[in-house]
Amino acid sequence: DAKTTQPTSMDCAEGRAANLPCNHSTISGNEYVYWYRQIHSQGPQYIIHGLKNNETNEMASLIITEDRKSSTLILPHATLRDTAVYYCIVRTQGGSEKLVFGKGTKLTVNP
Amino acid sequence: DGGITQSPKYLFRKEGQNVTLSCEQNLNHDAMYWYRQDPGQGLRLIYYSQIVNDFQKGDIAEGYSVSREKKESFPLTVTSAQKNPTAFYLCASSPLAVVHTDTQYFGPGTRLTVL
Repeated sequence: DAKTTQPTSMDCAEGRAANLPCNHSTISGNEYVYWYRQIHSQGPQYIIHGLKNNETNEMASLIITEDRKSSTLILPHATLRDTAVYYCIVRTQGGSEKLVFGKGTKLTVNP
Repeated sequence: DGGITQSPKYLFRKEGQNVTLSCEQNLNHDAMYWYRQDPGQGLRLIYYSQIVNDFQKGDIAEGYSVSREKKESFPLTVTSAQKNPTAFYLCASSPLAVVHTDTQYFGPGTRLTVL
C-alpha cells in the first residue's frame, strides 16, 4: 500500500506556479520523499527527492515540513508540457527497494 | 546520450507465444528492474537484479522470466504461463545505494498487446 496521500487532480494556469501537496504522516526517520511524474504513455520521470531539508533543482523545488509529515512539490513556472500524473513516494535507500506508486495527482496545465 | 532504452515501443503477439522485451542501459548502473503497469494503476514490480548473473522475484513474477548476463542488459520474457500479459512494461535502473543515492530511472516503456 502507498504510504502517501495526494489530491486526485489539480489545475494550473500556464506560467503560474504549480504547488502539489503530499501527506506522509507515517514517514519514518530514514525514509526519503521522492517525486516522479508520468506523462501519458511514457515511462515515469524522476523529479526530485529529499530527506528533511528543502531541495531545489532545475525542474522543481521540494518543501518538506519540519515534522516531515507532509511536503509540497513546486513547479515555479508551469508549462503545457508539465501536464502529467505526479507521484509522491516515500522510501528508504538501499536494498533495491521497489517503488510503490499510488494514484498520484493528475496535474492539468491550462493555456 | 546516456539513458535506458526499451524496444520495441509497441508489441503484438498471439496468445500462447512467448515474447522477450529488451532493456538496455548505458548509465553504468548496477541495479535493474522490471515493472508492469495496467490502465489507471500504479507500477507493480516483476523482477529486479542488483548484479550480473543474479536476480530476485518481485511481487508478480509468475509467468515471467529474466536474465542478467551483462550489466547493461536485462531482458524480460513474458511466457505463455502469464494469464493476462497485455500491459505497459517499464524497465528501470539505479546505482547501488552503497555508493550513490539509488534513484531509479525509467525507460520509455513497451506496450504489449496479446491478441
